[in-house]
Amino acid sequence: AQSVTQLDSQVPVFEEAPVELRCNYSSSVSVYLFWYVQYPNQGLQLLLKYLSGSTLVESINGFEAEFNKSQTSFHLRKPSVHISDTAEYFCAVNTGRRALTFGSGTRLQVQP
Amino acid sequence: DAMVIQNPRYQVTQFGKPVTLSCSQTLNHNVMYWYQQKSSQAPKLLFHYYDKDFNNEADTPDNFQSRRPNTSFCFLDIRSPGLGDAAMYLCATSNVRGVGRTDTQYFGPGTRLTVL
Repeated sequence: AQSVTQLDSQVPVFEEAPVELRCNYSSSVSVYLFWYVQYPNQGLQLLLKYLSGSTLVESINGFEAEFNKSQTSFHLRKPSVHISDTAEYFCAVNTGRRALTFGSGTRLQVQP
Repeated sequence: DAMVIQNPRYQVTQFGKPVTLSCSQTLNHNVMYWYQQKSSQAPKLLFHYYDKDFNNEADTPDNFQSRRPNTSFCFLDIRSPGLGDAAMYLCATSNVRGVGRTDTQYFGPGTRLTVL
């Protein structure tokens, strides 16, 4: 069985400050890792993913995440956040055909 | 643009009155999923279709059914909605076979269901 832990339910941060949203997973097999973002009353949008290859993955809007196999982590980072980054962020793991296993989510609140 | 479409975006129904939510996709993906997401919670998988094969999660209530008449469309039927079924329902697709395999799920915008 696989599981995902997002330790922080809420992360308040000031605009232009750096942020890290933490994600740890457990699985007995190789995994694919994802970060999704959800704005109010909307579906989930894929932010970035790790399937294989380089352990550092980046999104088009400045977020990056690093797969760390030894620490079973896939933390999400951004060096400078904007008000528009305020949203719920979900980390998820997938071992292939089966559906995603989600973490409980982290609400990022960017304050002016 | 290729996408996952859900209709309606908002649905209001009465306690016990059957309701059907719709999902369509232009991605030609072979797997379609239905998730339930209650307020401030993570999405929870209800069931998924791998091609025509239906896969129900063990804890999905019998009140929830699904149909997939073709590759592009999938429906979620709630036979007798209760107050506890009020939630956002998310449809997702993925391509997990052969050329173009992505192992990535793409979500629609969701349907918010209100039960009065």
